Amino acid sequence: DVKVTQSSRYLVKRTGEKVFLECVQDMDHENMFWYRQDPGLGLRLIYFSYDVKMKEKGDIPEGYSVSREKKERFSLILESASTNQTSMYLCASSLPQGAAFQETQYFGPGTRLLVL
Amino acid sequence: GQQVMQIPQYQHVQEGEDFTTYCNSSTTLSNIQWYKQRPGGHPVFLIQLVKSGEVKKQKRLTFQFGEAKKNSSLHITATQTTDVGTYFCAVSGTYKYIFGTGTRLKVLA
Repeated sequence: DVKVTQSSRYLVKRTGEKVFLECVQDMDHENMFWYRQDPGLGLRLIYFSYDVKMKEKGDIPEGYSVSREKKERFSLILESASTNQTSMYLCASSLPQGAAFQETQYFGPGTRLLVL
Repeated sequence: GQQVMQIPQYQHVQEGEDFTTYCNSSTTLSNIQWYKQRPGGHPVFLIQLVKSGEVKKQKRLTFQFGEAKKNSSLHITATQTTDVGTYFCAVSGTYKYIFGTGTRLKVLA
């Protein structure tokens, strides 16, 4: 059975703290993604990775960085947390693109981050 | 960049009524996916449509892909309380996906 896990379901941090959100998938997927979800804005892509040590900026990368040292693990880093980064963070993984169509994304349970 | 408009943003229906959410793109799509997110949960894949004019059914859910491959709809017949949640469409870009803003469905018993 497919599984994507995230290190925390809930997290409370203070402004200026460095925050690490971890995501692990056990499906040997090449692609991994980090999204944030806010009411009325849907899912917005922060960063994605299509291979180990590879990373690409998504639509809203400012204030974030990522690390992919191993295929199964994709970390999201908030270098200096700010209150506007309070959000639900969702990790997802998928197989690489086929010639004709995209593969399903499998999502983790999400981390609800509150920055005070 | 590519944008996906999804309407309506919210919908409240009485149990037993039908429900439809629409996804529209300004550009021709290679495919479209639909996801459902239950309250407090994470998005779960429902289906993918690839062909022009394609119609797929999953029990009370009917998914359609427009002839021009620029729009799609998800229709639920005779809603039940288990249908509550947010429904997202997602379209593919290079390596990545673009999600619609979602339609939040509330079913009143």
